[in-house]
Amino acid sequence: DQQVKQNSPSLSVQEGRISILNCDYTNSMFDYFLWYKKYPAEGPTFLISISSIKDKNEDGRFTVFLNKSAKHLSLHIVPSQPGDSAVYFCAALRSGSRLTFGEGTQLTVNP
Amino acid sequence: DVKVTQSSRYLVKRTGEKVFLECVQDMDHENMFWYRQDPGLGLRLIYFSYDVKMKEKGDIPEGYSVSREKKERFSLILESASTNQTSMYLCASVDSGNSYEQYFGPGTRLTVT
Repeated sequence: DQQVKQNSPSLSVQEGRISILNCDYTNSMFDYFLWYKKYPAEGPTFLISISSIKDKNEDGRFTVFLNKSAKHLSLHIVPSQPGDSAVYFCAALRSGSRLTFGEGTQLTVNP
Repeated sequence: DVKVTQSSRYLVKRTGEKVFLECVQDMDHENMFWYRQDPGLGLRLIYFSYDVKMKEKGDIPEGYSVSREKKERFSLILESASTNQTSMYLCASVDSGNSYEQYFGPGTRLTVT
């Protein structure tokens, strides 16, 4: 039972444009959500997070939006840069429990 | 700056061999995790540990075991390696009190032939 789903395995955008990565979840008990970024041959690194009491969190070029009623979150990267090309994982958890990861989306930003 | 290290970046083993993957973290974190990453499947939790000598099964523990004799070290053991255990193995740690943000090691690419 895949509780966190990233339905797009890949996304390609032009440098300078917006990248939007999507994530859906099924467990309404999840109350904290994170995005990780992974380059080839490296471990994932934490990017940004959001608590279920918020609907938006922003950090520089990265913004995460949470729509609890739709059980959907998205990561916006503006403007996209070639160095943003990586696999992005969405993750969710319920307090006191452990992270559940999505399948990942490969983002390619073309110069 | 949190550092999580893994003993090998690349490993090639034969079917039936016993394989040890080591992970060490230097931030005194209580919780440590072993994941495997496969294309289209994301990160799947194999085992985790929330204290020395404590361990819990994750989503896919079959064919694996773990050992945590010291707080900073968490080992993953493949008792008898099989070709379907060819994967990228990632270790992570987190301070249980402060944050949900897990810190990951660089990964071990294991190939079982």
